[in-house]
Amino acid sequence: GENVEQHPSTLSVQEGDSAVIKCTYSDSASNYFPWYKQELGKRPQLIIDIRSNVGEKKDQRIAVTLNKTAKHFSLHITETQPEDSAVYFCAASAANAGKSTFGDGTTLTVKP
Amino acid sequence: DTAVSQTPKYLVTQMGNDKSIKCEQNLGHDTMYWYKQDSKKFLKIMFSYNNKELIINETVPNRFSPKSPDKAHLNLHINSLELGDSAVYFCAGRLGYGYTFGSGTRLTVV
Repeated sequence: GENVEQHPSTLSVQEGDSAVIKCTYSDSASNYFPWYKQELGKRPQLIIDIRSNVGEKKDQRIAVTLNKTAKHFSLHITETQPEDSAVYFCAASAANAGKSTFGDGTTLTVKP
Repeated sequence: DTAVSQTPKYLVTQMGNDKSIKCEQNLGHDTMYWYKQDSKKFLKIMFSYNNKELIINETVPNRFSPKSPDKAHLNLHINSLELGDSAVYFCAGRLGYGYTFGSGTRLTVV
């Protein structure tokens, strides 16, 4: 089955700095890679995703990159703000798997 | 309208009791899931149903029994609750490829 590793487990940055979270996956059949943000006491929410036919995708201050050859993908947050503080999960899924496999999460703290 | 709603939000119960968590989705999609989030925040899939049919069971103890009366509902019944069952349980529906999660049920077994 799919195995997703996520690093780092915790990340602390100063407001305005950039943050990068990296994930690797094992199943070459995986073709969909979403990222979820979970604020304290709330549900995980999909913030951005990328499919295997695309190398990079941006949405305002967040971007995701995918390297299919190396089987890794990353989340980049620029100009971080205190409200970006949350747990971020990467995930990977194949079209026929019927489920997403999640990384273990990264706790991001943005210090004002 | 909330796309995925689950009740109750909090559940405190004694060991050995039986409890249920209800989930309803109005996404119009056939697939629903139960995920467990432990104290370390890890998200682990428990079950997946597609149009009332079980398609994924991730080696969950048989004390946990999902029930899907129709494709908009997926309830979770837990028998003989144990201390280790304490966690947050999320129901999710699938819209496109991504998930929409319910607000979660924090289960505390004492």
